[in-house]
Amino acid sequence: DIQMTQSPSSLPASLGDRVTITCRASQDIGNYLRWFQQKPGKSPRLMIYGATNLAAGVPSRFSGSRSGSDYSLTINSLESEDMAIYYCLQHNEYPLTFGSGTKLEIK
Amino acid sequence: EVQLVESGGGLVQPGRSLKLSCVASGFTFSNYGMNWIRQAPGKGLEWVAYISSGSSYIYYAETVKGRFTISRDNAKNTLYLQMTSLRSEDTALYYCARGGLTGSPDSFAYWGQGTLVTVSS
Repeated sequence: DIQMTQSPSSLPASLGDRVTITCRASQDIGNYLRWFQQKPGKSPRLMIYGATNLAAGVPSRFSGSRSGSDYSLTINSLESEDMAIYYCLQHNEYPLTFGSGTKLEIK
Repeated sequence: EVQLVESGGGLVQPGRSLKLSCVASGFTFSNYGMNWIRQAPGKGLEWVAYISSGSSYIYYAETVKGRFTISRDNAKNTLYLQMTSLRSEDTALYYCARGGLTGSPDSFAYWGQGTLVTVSS
């Protein structure tokens, strides 16, 4: 099975900051990597697909990138509405695997 | 508007069975692969099972293989998860989500609101 190692698990940040969350894949997954945002009591929301593409309706301050087996989600100029838990998902092969999550919170 | 509405959750004793449903609307259900994904209280997301559009391909997480069965009725636009031999560690909010091994922009863009399964004596 493909392991997705996500870091950090917690990320205190201030409004206006630029933050980056990373997932490392244990095997090649190409660009079959998605990022989700989840707020308390809500279903996950797709933010990034194909590792680097912004999903519909997602603000442009969000971006995704890839360097080898490392996949990153970057948020520029943090806003209060961005405080949430973020997960990566590899959907290159079954079983699908999620990262363990990163809780983004106000410093 | 795409909608996925889960139901069937509840309190169940260990070792017993439960069947979840997910009713889809707003799209041609028979054209899409579907998943069950769960989230234990306060924990992360765990993929559980996948079924292809025509039910030809089915995959399970090792944690549920042999105990859970995913199925679908395309005529009723409904996805199912039959859960047997339930354990306390199966306690979770169960989501259905549209998606699969595709680079389509809207794969995994649509999730239900979840149905809570609690396994306890």
